[in-house]
Amino acid sequence: DGGITQSPKYLFRKEGQNVTLSCEQNLNHDAMYWYRQDPGQGLRLIYYSQIVNDFQKGDIAEGYSVSREKKESFPLTVTSAQKNPTAFYLCASSTSQGADSPLHFGNGTRLTVT
Amino acid sequence: DQQVKQNSPSLSVQEGRISILNCDYTNSMFDYFLWYKKYPAEGPTFLISISSIKDKNEDGRFTVFLNKSAKHLSLHIVPSQPGDSAVYFCAATPGNYGQNFVFGPGTRLSVLP
Repeated sequence: DGGITQSPKYLFRKEGQNVTLSCEQNLNHDAMYWYRQDPGQGLRLIYYSQIVNDFQKGDIAEGYSVSREKKESFPLTVTSAQKNPTAFYLCASSTSQGADSPLHFGNGTRLTVT
Repeated sequence: DQQVKQNSPSLSVQEGRISILNCDYTNSMFDYFLWYKKYPAEGPTFLISISSIKDKNEDGRFTVFLNKSAKHLSLHIVPSQPGDSAVYFCAATPGNYGQNFVFGPGTRLSVLP
């Protein structure tokens, strides 16, 4: 079955540590995205990538970094510079053929930083 | 400032009745709109979309209405079923390559048996 796999489902880290969230897709989609969800807020875009080896900042990129070395993979690193990292992180992909290409989401990683 | 608003954080409806979820937007550049459904501990799944050249789109029990002049859209679910209980997100995009989806805060729908 094609889909998006995010791992791990739950992640706990101490403040000051960098942490990397995994996202893999086998949908052969060109575009991949990282969103963050906080209670009472919509999904906010962190980074997106339309093609391998290229990515752009979203609305809340500060304190995060990404790489896109392979079409299937788009890992997100939450650095110690991110002031409020505890959140639910969602990875998504799309065919990038236009606005009518809906996002396909993974099941998310809940990160807790203490 | 939120560009996509869902002013009802929650909604309860009796099974078999109609559920109406509302969404308002402020950016007149938006021209494609989508609804996503999210169950707890899962990612959102795409439900239905509408382009600004239409005012209505139907898919089974789900219908989305768009009023561009009012910058308002709504999702109608008829008849509502207990399995429809979830959080519904409205999203909008200016219609380029889709990377600029802007999501609303969501409305939690509870369908009561």
